[in-house]
Amino acid sequence: AQSVTQPDIHITVSEGASLELRCNYSYGATPYLFWYVQSPGQGLQLLLKYFSGDTLVQGIKGFEAEFKRSQSSFNLRKPSVHWSDAAEYFCAVGARNTDKLIFGTGTRLQVFP
Amino acid sequence: DAEITQSPRHKITETGRQVTLACHQTWNHNNMFWYRQDLGHGLRLIHYSYGVHDTNKGEVSDGYSVSRSNTEDLPLTLESAASSQTSVYFCASTKQGSQETQYFGPGTRLLVL
Repeated sequence: AQSVTQPDIHITVSEGASLELRCNYSYGATPYLFWYVQSPGQGLQLLLKYFSGDTLVQGIKGFEAEFKRSQSSFNLRKPSVHWSDAAEYFCAVGARNTDKLIFGTGTRLQVFP
Repeated sequence: DAEITQSPRHKITETGRQVTLACHQTWNHNNMFWYRQDLGHGLRLIHYSYGVHDTNKGEVSDGYSVSRSNTEDLPLTLESAASSQTSVYFCASTKQGSQETQYFGPGTRLLVL
């Protein structure tokens, strides 16, 4: 069965510091992978997605993620965090024969000035 | 601009009452989804639809029902609300195809007393 693990429930970083949010997935084949961001009181917004090809994916707001098949990971990174990046981040996996997504439990990012 | 809306944004109800949450999208998307978001669980799929008159159960469908009479709307009904159904509910839609982005509504916060 498909599953997604986000091992970090809460991360705190200083503004300007680099960021890496971890995501591990379980799926029998190459999955579709997504990162979404949720600001307080808002719906989810897509940051980036991976389907095939280049394993380093660029997204909006300066985020990138790298698909590593050998580690079953799809970690999200940003070189310099801004205070406006404080939000909850969700990793999701989609199967290639269905339009459904399985979400991780989320990582809440707090940014200190 | 095309969008996806949910109503009401906030709802308080009593145990045993029937409640219907509305979801409306103007993208003409075939696929629509209902999720609930709870601390420690991320987003979990309740029901989904791949088109008019099509409905399918997700992983947490007990106590919920949906109907799809047109492309734009997928209302979610709680037949007899329970305190365990206190949650934030999100509707999403996407074009057909597992590579497509899911677009999320702003959410409905439901409190069952």
